[in-house]
Amino acid sequence: NAGVTQTPKFRILKIGQSMTLQCAQDMNHNYMYWYRQDPGMGLKLIYYSVGAGITDKGEVPNGYNVSRSTTEDFPLRLELAAPSQTSVYFCASSPLRLAGGPQQYFGPGTRLTVT
Amino acid sequence: KQEVTQIPAALSVPEGENLVLNCSFTDSAIYNLQWFRQDPGKGLTSLLLIQSSQREQTSGRLNASLDKSSGRSTLYIAASQPGDSATYLCAVVYGNNRLAFGKGNQVVVIP
Repeated sequence: NAGVTQTPKFRILKIGQSMTLQCAQDMNHNYMYWYRQDPGMGLKLIYYSVGAGITDKGEVPNGYNVSRSTTEDFPLRLELAAPSQTSVYFCASSPLRLAGGPQQYFGPGTRLTVT
Repeated sequence: KQEVTQIPAALSVPEGENLVLNCSFTDSAIYNLQWFRQDPGKGLTSLLLIQSSQREQTSGRLNASLDKSSGRSTLYIAASQPGDSATYLCAVVYGNNRLAFGKGNQVVVIP
């Protein structure tokens, strides 16, 4: 199993550009999550999905969009990049809802800089 | 709003000493608490998960305790090694799919 994979590893965007961060998992997990981690801070939830076709906002969803057309993939879209979106983005998955106590599996992250 | 605080933010210890990392949270209505390890430039690795009904969990040299009523958890790492150098993140599950993270304890173990 590759686990949770993310592409690209690094990206530099100009203000106003758009891009999609890719996330895929091969563990057949229903639940997938996108977090961002700013320097010296903990992770904050952007969006999550409880299955194909179902997504919901997290703590900091503004400026982002997601879709979940398959169980495996959960891409994160930035439409008009802003410097405030400079961060490290982590994708994660779990087999059950987090309240049920499953382990959450994280990808290696995408380091995004917006200038 | 659930807030998670980790103290100290950074610490250095000589190899062989025991590590004690503290985590506190403001709302005791949690489902479980997790400790993660994060190496520089890498993702998070789950270390221990404590259900809200449990008092502690152990895995090898790691032991985590949970006092839900006082909103505290402690991670103990016995006989620290240089390979334990990393950032340790505490997170609480407070909704079906809501995870609140602390900012982390950055640990350096000096050989």
